[in-house]
Amino acid sequence: AQSVTQPDIHITVSEGASLELRCNYSYGATPYLFWYVQSPGQGLQLLLKYFSGDTLVQGIKGFEAEFKRSQSSFNLRKPSVHWSDAAEYFCAVGQAGNMLTFGGGTRLMVKP
Amino acid sequence: EAGVVQSPRYKIIEKKQPVAFWCNPISGHNTLYWYRQNLGQGPELLIRYENEEAVDDSQLPKDRFSAERLKGVDSTLKIQPAELGDSAVYLCASSLSPRGYQGELFFGEGSRLTVL
Repeated sequence: AQSVTQPDIHITVSEGASLELRCNYSYGATPYLFWYVQSPGQGLQLLLKYFSGDTLVQGIKGFEAEFKRSQSSFNLRKPSVHWSDAAEYFCAVGQAGNMLTFGGGTRLMVKP
Repeated sequence: EAGVVQSPRYKIIEKKQPVAFWCNPISGHNTLYWYRQNLGQGPELLIRYENEEAVDDSQLPKDRFSAERLKGVDSTLKIQPAELGDSAVYLCASSLSPRGYQGELFFGEGSRLTVL
């Protein structure tokens, strides 16, 4: 069975600092990987996705993620965090039929 | 273009009462999903529809939960009777591509249920 682990439940960074959110997955085949963001009281918004090809994918709001098959990881990065990035971030792996399995999420707090 | 619309946004009920949630997906999206998100956790799939057919409902607690998607558009998720452990946010999502992953899942804002 597939699974997703986000080791960090909470992360606090200063505004302007760089950010990396970790995601590890377990999946028997080539994974389809996603990062979603959820602001308080809102639904989930897709930041970026990896299907195949270039292992470094660019997303919206200045985010990027790198797929590393050898490490079973798909970490999310941003070079300079803005206060508006404070939210909860979910990594997900897809399987047949577009069914997504989500990780437990990482809550990002941004210090001024 | 309107996104996925869900109602109600918030619902507070006493245990053993029934509750229903409604979802209107993005126009033209043939695949609809219901997810449940417990506090501090990621969403978990309850049921997936392709048009009006439920193609994956293995995670739906069928003794108390039911869902329907009449005419392959709107969908309703019902809980009867509700239990304390059903308190969660119920998310609806829709997508255009049921088989590949080229299609993005678009989520509604969710319906937050509190069972007292």
